[in-house]
Amino acid sequence: DADVTQTPRNRITKTGKRIMLECSQTKGHDRMYWYRQDPGLGLRLIYYSFDVKDINKGEISDGYSVSRQAQAKFSLSLESAIPNQTALYFCATSDPAVAGGLYDEQFFGPGTRLTVL
Amino acid sequence: RKEVEQDPGPFNVPEGATVAFNCTYSNSASQSFFWYRQDCRKEPKLLMSVYSSGNEDGRFTAQLNRASQYISLLIRDSKLSDSATYLCVVKGSGGGADGLTFGKGTHLIIQP
Repeated sequence: DADVTQTPRNRITKTGKRIMLECSQTKGHDRMYWYRQDPGLGLRLIYYSFDVKDINKGEISDGYSVSRQAQAKFSLSLESAIPNQTALYFCATSDPAVAGGLYDEQFFGPGTRLTVL
Repeated sequence: RKEVEQDPGPFNVPEGATVAFNCTYSNSASQSFFWYRQDCRKEPKLLMSVYSSGNEDGRFTAQLNRASQYISLLIRDSKLSDSATYLCVVKGSGGGADGLTFGKGTHLIIQP
């Protein structure tokens, strides 16, 4: 079974709709992240959380919100979706303690392909 | 100047050849460096960390040049399965959580 899972894997929605993307992990990591990837723009950080009580904005948080329901769950919401939020969304986890805090690896989920019409 | 820059490619390389590509970073205080591999429509996965002294993992060799602020990835005896996008990731550049900044990736195509 995958360590980091995302649901749904694909979603098509209309402008103005509220959308929630969910991420679950079984790695036991405290740190979780949401990224979006657009062609030619690379990965950009939306929000991140270092533990259940910690939420931080990333590079492009406008139009998004998150909820850290438990150590294992981190959800991303688009309150009112717009077409330029069409992208591939990745959830990731990390645990710096695993590699001594310097060379920490990020583990990505399989991604959610979101299309906003 | 962008924080992490990569040549997007594509690099078209015959099977069995050696290919190398670089990544430059702007923040001289950057702490650590990584290469991730991303297959088409899949998630990125760590390929290798880049150590100050350089490191090798099978056919893959990573080098760091702090003076010129770039890292490199060399792939020897390339295989068809090496076709992917290779992302350069730099820590300590001030971007994002944990200071990770992702390059836009270099697209590699190994041709039979």
